[in-house]
Amino acid sequence: EVQLVESGGGLVKPGSSLKLSCVASGFTFSSYGMHWIRQAPKKGLEWIALIYYDSSNKYYADSVKGRFTISRDNSKNTLYLEMNSLRSEDTAMYYCAKGRGDAWGQGASVTVSS
Amino acid sequence: DIVLTQAPLSVSVTPGESASISCRSSKSLLSSKGITSLYWYLQKPGKSPQLLIYRMSNLASGVPDRFSGSGSETDFTLKISKVETEDVGVYYCAQFLEYPYTFGAGTKLELK
Repeated sequence: EVQLVESGGGLVKPGSSLKLSCVASGFTFSSYGMHWIRQAPKKGLEWIALIYYDSSNKYYADSVKGRFTISRDNSKNTLYLEMNSLRSEDTAMYYCAKGRGDAWGQGASVTVSS
Repeated sequence: DIVLTQAPLSVSVTPGESASISCRSSKSLLSSKGITSLYWYLQKPGKSPQLLIYRMSNLASGVPDRFSGSGSETDFTLKISKVETEDVGVYYCAQFLEYPYTFGAGTKLELK
């Protein structure tokens, strides 16, 4: 069974940093591109980042470019999202997703507030 | 960026009846490889999204065949025949053709 489990969310102040993790199991992690997708409270889905299976390419939404970094460790079956210079508008549930969204984690909640 | 416009934003359906949701793209989603990169997801209340349809018309694993997807290069439809109580939630279309990938605003399906 494919499983994606996010962790690392929390309440932080504007301008601070946070790193999310997503541990994958039930499939060959090193063979798939992985995404981070977020959902602000009561809002729709926003794609924010993609990393290729071998980390050779990374793509970001303009809203996070230069502040967020996606990475992965295939030896640990783990996807990461390093978030810097956090803003109130980054408050959201953050999901990791496999491939073309055929599997999603349960989400990690990030709240940015003073 | 490719804009996906969903309609309606909300639909109320009697169980057993059918429902259709439209998704219109600001640009053709047909790739040079002949693949139409339009996907449909359902987010049930309090849950993570789940994949329903991939590449416009292919049913994802484990999804009931009451769901079907169709369309052209820019106009797409998700049809749910014989709606059941478990189909309640928000339906999103998404494109994975060009960066940044984008989602439609969502269509909320409720039961009458």
